[in-house]
Amino acid sequence: DAGVTQSPTHLIKTRGQQVTLRCSPKSGHDTVSWYQQALGQGPQFIFQYYEEEERQRGNFPDRFSGHQFPNYSSELNVNALLLGDSALYLCASSFFGVATADTQYFGPGTRLTVL
Amino acid sequence: DAKTTQPNSMESNEEEPVHLPCNHSTISGTDYIHWYRQLPSQGPEYVIHGLTSNVNNRMASLAIAEDRKSSTLILHRATLRDAAVYYCILSVGTGRRALTFGSGTRLQVQP
Repeated sequence: DAGVTQSPTHLIKTRGQQVTLRCSPKSGHDTVSWYQQALGQGPQFIFQYYEEEERQRGNFPDRFSGHQFPNYSSELNVNALLLGDSALYLCASSFFGVATADTQYFGPGTRLTVL
Repeated sequence: DAKTTQPNSMESNEEEPVHLPCNHSTISGTDYIHWYRQLPSQGPEYVIHGLTSNVNNRMASLAIAEDRKSSTLILHRATLRDAAVYYCILSVGTGRRALTFGSGTRLQVQP
């Protein structure tokens, strides 16, 4: 059973460009959350998708947008890249249930470098 | 958001037990306590979670204080592979919940 997969592994962009990151959730999971992790810090919640809609959002500008597809996979888009957007972007999937308590399973991340 | 407090770092020797503490004095009745760990250059990995009772799984044990204001993650025999940053997180509210990570405890394991 494949876990959460993310692509690409690494990405280098320049300021002002746009980027799209992709995530495939663990089999049987229907909810995808995205997190940003700057170097030396804990992950910060960006947003969460369920039933193809954004359900929750952290404190991120609307340059950060996303999408969830009918097969539950998801994309994170970042427009007008800034140097400060350089980070590890993590995708996590989950399946809501009393027993699971929303346990989230993380992918390996996409390392984005903005020059 | 409900906040957790953890020591910045801890050290342990290989094959000895490790007790990682977490304080969460503002926890409310429906908040689950989750522990994740993050090995170098990897995404966070789920370790264990609990609500009120102590929990055991193949990776670790979670001891929850009776008033739920603190908890302890127990690794019964530390290995070098257990060197990681350990995050204690409260999932707040009901339904699908976001995780709020703090800075965690960096565990070093000496051979």
